[in-house]
Amino acid sequence: DTGVSQDPRHKITKRGQNVTFRCDPISEHNRLYWYRQTLGQGPEFLTYFQNEAQLEKSRLLSDRFSAERPKGSFSTLEIQRTEQGDSAMYLCASRHSGGNSYNEQFFGPGTRLTVL
Amino acid sequence: GDSVTQMEGPVTLSEEAFLTINCTYTATGYPSLFWYVQYPGEGLQLLLKATKADDKGSNKGFEATYRKETTSFHLEKGSVQVSDSAVYFCALTRSGTALIFGKGTTLSVSS
Repeated sequence: DTGVSQDPRHKITKRGQNVTFRCDPISEHNRLYWYRQTLGQGPEFLTYFQNEAQLEKSRLLSDRFSAERPKGSFSTLEIQRTEQGDSAMYLCASRHSGGNSYNEQFFGPGTRLTVL
Repeated sequence: GDSVTQMEGPVTLSEEAFLTINCTYTATGYPSLFWYVQYPGEGLQLLLKATKADDKGSNKGFEATYRKETTSFHLEKGSVQVSDSAVYFCALTRSGTALIFGKGTTLSVSS
């Protein structure tokens, strides 16, 4: 088990371009979460999946953002028509919903997005 | 809505000093409480957790006690090391959904 992985680790794009990030959770984890972290702030929740179902979306997730988890394993987060305000670290986390897990979420290293 | 407030940083200490980072929360019901740590260049790691009132979470010399009456979960360590320099986040969750984080407190320990 190599933990939660994210790809790419860094992305620089120009305003108006589309970007897509990938997250591979820990293999037996059925819940997957996306967060956004801006400089000097704590992570803010964006959305989460249980298996392939997207169960909750934050108000932060504007229409330009879309997330998928088509087979209940890896997930993608796409941002369309990027804006400079989208510059942030995008974090993925996973956990198993059952058992004695104390709601612990395991985080990936993040994808740092810079929009020029 | 639910929220977490933690003390502003940075906190600057000398090695072997006592550390306290304050954290208070607002939430309905009985949330689970966590401290996460982010070392330079690394991802968030769970440091410790507590799931009910009066529980004490502990790990690597750090401790925090879930105080329902004061809605607090202060992080303490008796003797900090240079290797403890990191950003510390207090967080809560209800029913295993989204984690709600504080803004983070930067700790810098010098030898």
